[in-house]
Amino acid sequence: NAGVMQNPRHLVRRRGQEARLRCSPMKGHSHVYWYRQLPEEGLKFMVYLQKENIIDESGMPKERFSAEFPKEGPSILRIQQVVRGDSAAYFCASSVDRQREAFFGQGTRLTVV
Amino acid sequence: EDKVVQSPLSLVVHEGDTVTLNCSYEVTNFRSLLWYKQEKKAPTFLFMLTSSGIEKKSGRLSSILDKKELFSILNITATQTGDSAIYLCAAGNTGANSKLTFGKGITLSVRP
Repeated sequence: NAGVMQNPRHLVRRRGQEARLRCSPMKGHSHVYWYRQLPEEGLKFMVYLQKENIIDESGMPKERFSAEFPKEGPSILRIQQVVRGDSAAYFCASSVDRQREAFFGQGTRLTVV
Repeated sequence: EDKVVQSPLSLVVHEGDTVTLNCSYEVTNFRSLLWYKQEKKAPTFLFMLTSSGIEKKSGRLSSILDKKELFSILNITATQTGDSAIYLCAAGNTGANSKLTFGKGITLSVRP
């Protein structure tokens, strides 16, 4: 049973470009969470999704950031018109239901140059 | 605002020592306390605690939760260099979002 798979592992974007981060949850998991980790900071909740639904996006910046988890395929976190401050590690986690432990992927390290 | 505070921020010990890592929390509608180990990759799940006073053990690691005093500890006995990592504590709530609020982590270095 493969773990949570994220790709790419590393992503470099110029300011103003778009970044797309992908997350395939563990088999049998339908709950997906995205977290952002800035240097010297803890993991910060961004968004919680179930298949085809955004349950809570209270941690997402209001502009430029969006997330989806379609019926088929991975969850996508999209950042439009990236800025240097978006540089961070973005982690995805999944769980079998919202009361069970969440398992994390290896993260995507986004660098904006 | 929900808050999780871990202490100490960093710790250096020698192989064979026992360490205790602390985590205190203030979370509305608290449901669970989780510990993760983070090396240079994915945070790896260690424990999830929901009840006070019941110790969970896995090998040399153990953890316990005190819901009255709002804290948890993670103990590591007979430490090894492979225990060197950042240990993350997170608190989950009962709300519909079930989000985790993380502390900043404790950096543990185990010297040979």
